[in-house]
Amino acid sequence: EVQLVQSGAEVKKPGESLKISCKGSGYSFTSYWIGWVRQMPGKGLEWMGIIYPSDSDTRYSPSFQGQISISADKSISTAYLQWSSLKASDTAMYYCARLTVPTGYSRVWGQGTLVTVSS
Amino acid sequence: EIVLTQSPGTLSLSPGERATLSCRASQSVSSSYLAWYQQKPGQAPRLLIYGASSRATGIPDRFSGSGSGTDFILTISRLEPEDFAVYYCQQYGGSPPSTFGGGTKVEIK
Repeated sequence: EVQLVQSGAEVKKPGESLKISCKGSGYSFTSYWIGWVRQMPGKGLEWMGIIYPSDSDTRYSPSFQGQISISADKSISTAYLQWSSLKASDTAMYYCARLTVPTGYSRVWGQGTLVTVSS
Repeated sequence: EIVLTQSPGTLSLSPGERATLSCRASQSVSSSYLAWYQQKPGQAPRLLIYGASSRATGIPDRFSGSGSGTDFILTISRLEPEDFAVYYCQQYGGSPPSTFGGGTKVEIK
């Protein structure tokens, strides 16, 4: 079964760093792009960026450039989304999704990771 | 960047009724690269339609997509109780990033 399994919910304070993960299984991890999507409480879906794990080609949406870092470790079929200094406005659900092409649609989604940033 | 505007924001209907959801793009979507997703509370989005009108695997035939250029429609022919959810359109295939519409909530009247 093709799956993306994300790491668990996180509660952090403003200014702290965080790295969440997305592990792929049931398919060739290096043959597909992984994208990250933000959903703020009660709001819609926003693409944050994408990575091709085979060569770590990474592209960021303009709104998120410089705010996040996306990486991947193909040896363990895992992609990551990282913040160096969280803000309260980073409180959201974050989903990873598998893409065939950089701007494709997604048949396969992770279950989501809820990040709460509060003092 | 292509901006997608979905309407209405909320659609109040009864089970068995027909739902018509609109997605309008700020510029033409190439090759009808338009997808629709369903999202229920606490769940990840689920792909319903890609290529404007092709149903994803396992999606019931009461869901259909149509349109081209800048105007696209998702139709649910007869609403089942499990269809009450939020629906998003997404344009893809162009330069990154692809974009989502703001969503339409289909609620029980």
